[in-house]
Amino acid sequence: AQSVAQPEDQVNVAEGNPLTVKCTYSVSGNPYLFWYVQYPNRGLQFLLKYITGDNLVKGSYGFEAEFNKSQTSFHLKKPSALVSDSALYFCAVRDDRGSTLGRLYFGRGTQLTVWP
Amino acid sequence: NAGVTQTPKFQVLKTGQSMTLQCAQDMNHEYMSWYRQDPGMGLRLIHYSVGAGITDQGEVPNGYNVSRSTTEDFPLRLLSAAPSQTSVYFCASSSRNRATDTQYFGPGTRLTVL
Repeated sequence: AQSVAQPEDQVNVAEGNPLTVKCTYSVSGNPYLFWYVQYPNRGLQFLLKYITGDNLVKGSYGFEAEFNKSQTSFHLKKPSALVSDSALYFCAVRDDRGSTLGRLYFGRGTQLTVWP
Repeated sequence: NAGVTQTPKFQVLKTGQSMTLQCAQDMNHEYMSWYRQDPGMGLRLIHYSVGAGITDQGEVPNGYNVSRSTTEDFPLRLLSAAPSQTSVYFCASSSRNRATDTQYFGPGTRLTVL
């Protein structure tokens, strides 16, 4: 079965500092990994995804994520945090086989707070 | 493109009432799905559809029905609402049901069942 874990419920960082939101995954096939962001009272917005190729994936709003197969991780990063980055971040894996093909499995989410 | 739209944005029901949450997309996506979001639990799949006339159950289907008569629309029906169905509901779509395709989400419907 596919699953993702976000070990931190909350991450706090000062504006201008680098940020990391952690995600680890467990899959039985190929890892197709996604990051979404949810601002208060809004839907989920797609940030980036890893399908294949370069381990460093660049996405929207200056975010990037590093895929590490040996550590089964897909951490979200940004070199310099902004107050406007404060939001709820979800890591997800999409199933690539069998009767559950196409399903997205989400982590529980990490609340990122960037203070001025 | 409007993307994925959902109505209503907010709804309050009494236990036992029925209602339909509407979802529409204008991207000609084959794959559509419904999720519910509960605090500390991420999003969980309720039902999904890989094309018009085809639907299937997700992780938490009990108490919900769906149909897909057109490519654009994928309504979610609550036949007899229960307080446990208080949640935020999101509809999503993607071009196809492939693991590499990105799912795009609507703005959500916040449902309270009293």
